[in-house]
Amino acid sequence: DADVTQTPRNRITKTGKRIMLECSQTKGHDRMYWYRQDPGLGLRLIYYSFDVKDINKGEISDGYSVSRQAQAKFSLSLESAIPNQTALYFCATSPPGSPYGYTFGSGTRLTVV
Amino acid sequence: AQSVTQLDSQVPVFEEAPVELRCNYSSSVSVYLFWYVQYPNQGLQLLLKYLSGSTLVKGINGFEAEFNKSQTSFHLRKPSVHISDTAEYFCAVNYGGSQGNLIFGKGTKLSVKP
Repeated sequence: DADVTQTPRNRITKTGKRIMLECSQTKGHDRMYWYRQDPGLGLRLIYYSFDVKDINKGEISDGYSVSRQAQAKFSLSLESAIPNQTALYFCATSPPGSPYGYTFGSGTRLTVV
Repeated sequence: AQSVTQLDSQVPVFEEAPVELRCNYSSSVSVYLFWYVQYPNQGLQLLLKYLSGSTLVKGINGFEAEFNKSQTSFHLRKPSVHISDTAEYFCAVNYGGSQGNLIFGKGTKLSVKP
């Protein structure tokens, strides 16, 4: 099994619909992140969580919300999807402290029509 | 503001040629530096990292990077590329502190041609 699992892998949804992207990890790490990737823009941080009770906004949190259901689970919701939220979404996890890289999931490709 | 700049959005090269992908970061007292690779339709995979010590860091698949503090750079190199190296490469910097989130560059698409 993958260290970080994202579901679904692909999703097409209509404008205005609520959608949830799920992420679970088996690394046992406290920190989890949600990024979105757009062509030419790299990865931008949406939300991050340092533990179950600590959730923080990233640089582009508007239009998104998150839930940290357990140490291993971190979900991203789009309350009312809009076309410019069409992107590739990545979940990641890391140990606490600075000098560590992240382990990424395989991504969820979301299309809002 | 803390930032990461990848100077080339696309780099086309021929197979077996050397390649350098450039990355600069905004100056800071201490940084941790990373290169990630994203193959088509896949997630990001750690290629190599610099935390401290020797400024030349070796990673997977024959890649290496050199940390240059005076030039605030962390360029990625490979002496001879293969078709299979075709991918997007991301430089990332952790500026440390209590949060220590990774900041990513916009990526460089490496296209290796036969």
